Amino acid sequence: AQTVTQSQPEMSVQEAETVTLSCTYDTSESDYYLFWYKQPPSRQMILVIRQEAYKQQNATENRFSVNFQKAAKSFSLKISDSQLGDAAMYFCAYRSQGGSEKLVFGKGTKLTVNP
Amino acid sequence: EAGVTQFPSHSVIEKGQTVTLRCDPISGHDNLYWYRRVMGKEIKFLLHFVKESKQDESGMPNNRFLAERTGGTYSTLKVQPAELEDSGVYFCASSQPFRGTLNEQFFGPGTRLTVL
Repeated sequence: AQTVTQSQPEMSVQEAETVTLSCTYDTSESDYYLFWYKQPPSRQMILVIRQEAYKQQNATENRFSVNFQKAAKSFSLKISDSQLGDAAMYFCAYRSQGGSEKLVFGKGTKLTVNP
Repeated sequence: EAGVTQFPSHSVIEKGQTVTLRCDPISGHDNLYWYRRVMGKEIKFLLHFVKESKQDESGMPNNRFLAERTGGTYSTLKVQPAELEDSGVYFCASSQPFRGTLNEQFFGPGTRLTVL
């Protein structure tokens, strides 16, 4: 079974600075998807960024980018120019490409942005 | 476009009672998923509906949990009888009816269940 590990329960960053959230996963599959979800306080979880395992190029969405290291099974999220609105729980998630569509989540990292 | 909605937002019940959670997916989304997050732990998959059929219920913890999706629209998740370890936040998600990376799961706000 696949597992996802987020080793940083909490992180903090100064506004306008850059922060990197770590995520590692374990799988025997070669084709899969990886996601970062964001859940602001008392709000719904939303998708931040996704990566297909077969793509070598790291995904980027505005200030959010990932460092995908397939061999190391690592999928970190970099937030540049951090804003107060980036404060949230961030969840890393894995999904198989075939078979079940279930998401396998890590425990999450709580990000605080200091003004 | 309305997002995924869940009702109630909070529920506090006593051990042994029954609780029914409801999820309304985004209109047109054939796929509906239930997840649960117990305090301090990972969000765990419970089950997946495609329309009214259970595609994958491998995450259902035991037979005290019953999920239904009559007519392929909204879904209910009943816990009967509730136990202390059922406390947590129950999330519902939905996605469009095609497979692949575009099949983004949109999440509801969750129902926080407390069993005393």
